Amino acid sequence: KQEVTQIPAALSVPEGENLVLNCSFTDSAIYNLQWFRQDPGKGLTSLLLIQSSQREQTSGRLNASLDKSSGRSTLYIAASQPGDSATYLCAVPTLQTGANNLFFGTGTRLTVIP
Amino acid sequence: DGGITQSPKYLFRKEGQNVTLSCEQNLNHDAMYWYRQDPGQGLRLIYYSQIVNDFQKGDIAEGYSVSREKKESFPLTVTSAQKNPTAFYLCASSKGGGFPYEQYFGPGTRLTVT
Repeated sequence: KQEVTQIPAALSVPEGENLVLNCSFTDSAIYNLQWFRQDPGKGLTSLLLIQSSQREQTSGRLNASLDKSSGRSTLYIAASQPGDSATYLCAVPTLQTGANNLFFGTGTRLTVIP
Repeated sequence: DGGITQSPKYLFRKEGQNVTLSCEQNLNHDAMYWYRQDPGQGLRLIYYSQIVNDFQKGDIAEGYSVSREKKESFPLTVTSAQKNPTAFYLCASSKGGGFPYEQYFGPGTRLTVT
């Protein structure tokens, strides 16, 4: 069964710093990998989706990379702002369990200090 | 505004009572999903539906039931058979089932059972 791990569980950085969030998964037979943001008590907001054939995907200050063979993805946030404070989740659907079954990590809680 | 709505935001029930959580979308998406989120755990898939009048069990379907009579609506019933129903419930939708389209999430319903 797919296991998705996100380390660290929590991260605090000063405003303006660049940072990297990590996501690793055990089954590399994935369709894609999706990064989400969740504010406290709220639903998830989709940030980026990388197809299994892609290496990178960018949106504004966010850049996500995917190394399927090693089972890793990173989310790079440039010039962090206090508004970036949230929990970041990665999720993957695997070929074995189907395109609709997303396996989620437990998230990294990011705090950007003004 | 296109999106997913869930109601109510907070729900309180006594043990032994069934309760139904509402999820509506106006994105014209074929597929809809229900996830459960517990502290310290990743989101887990309860049920999903790829098309009207069809749905499949996810990883933790026991104690839950769903219906999909309309494309826009996918209500979830938490029955008295669910042993630990207190959790944050998230509804999602995507363009279609059977293909790993990006999933979009609603704001969630926090259910507390005492």
